[in-house]
Amino acid sequence: ELKVEQNPLFLSMQEGKNYTIYCNYSTTSDRLYWYRQDPGKSLESLFVLLSNGAVKQEGRLMASLDTKARLSTLHITAAVHDLSATYFCAVESRGGSEKLVFGKGTKLTVNP
Amino acid sequence: NAGVTQTPKFQVLKTGQSMTLQCAQDMNHNSMYWYRQDPGMGLRLIYYSASEGTTDKGEVPDGYNVSRLKKQNFLLGLESAAPSQTSVYFCASSQDRGRWTYTDTQYFGPGTRLTVL
Repeated sequence: ELKVEQNPLFLSMQEGKNYTIYCNYSTTSDRLYWYRQDPGKSLESLFVLLSNGAVKQEGRLMASLDTKARLSTLHITAAVHDLSATYFCAVESRGGSEKLVFGKGTKLTVNP
Repeated sequence: NAGVTQTPKFQVLKTGQSMTLQCAQDMNHNSMYWYRQDPGMGLRLIYYSASEGTTDKGEVPDGYNVSRLKKQNFLLGLESAAPSQTSVYFCASSQDRGRWTYTDTQYFGPGTRLTVL
């Protein structure tokens, strides 16, 4: 059974600082997704990572995937208040079923 | 394009009542999904539909039923609501996983906040 763990679950950081969110998963998978959710809102797709060594960047966020270690990271560079949100990683179950298993989310608060 | 829409946005039920949550997408996606989100639990898949007329159970299907009679619609039914079904429900859709499709993701609706008293 595929399990997805994120850490930390809560992250409070100052503007301008760097930090990394980690996403570990328990069984082999080739697809990993990162989503952002603002309070009371829906989920917005950030990144789709499809292969070992994949790295994608958008603004102050950079995501990477190591399928051998079953680990993805979401790195935040020089955080700004607008990045405050909950971030979820989701891993696709093997076999191409398109079923996703989500981590519990990391609630990020960026303080001025 | 409206993307993925859900109705209603809010609903309060009494224990034992039934209702149907509606989801529609206008992106011509084959795959549709129903999730529930509970505090501290992330999202959990309730049911999944790979195409019109087909459905498959997810992680937490008990107490729910689904219907996919039209490609653009995916309905989630609660036959006899229980307080444990108080949650936020999200519908999502995604395009076909073709061999050369490598930028797909799931697109989520705005959610339905359901309270069962």
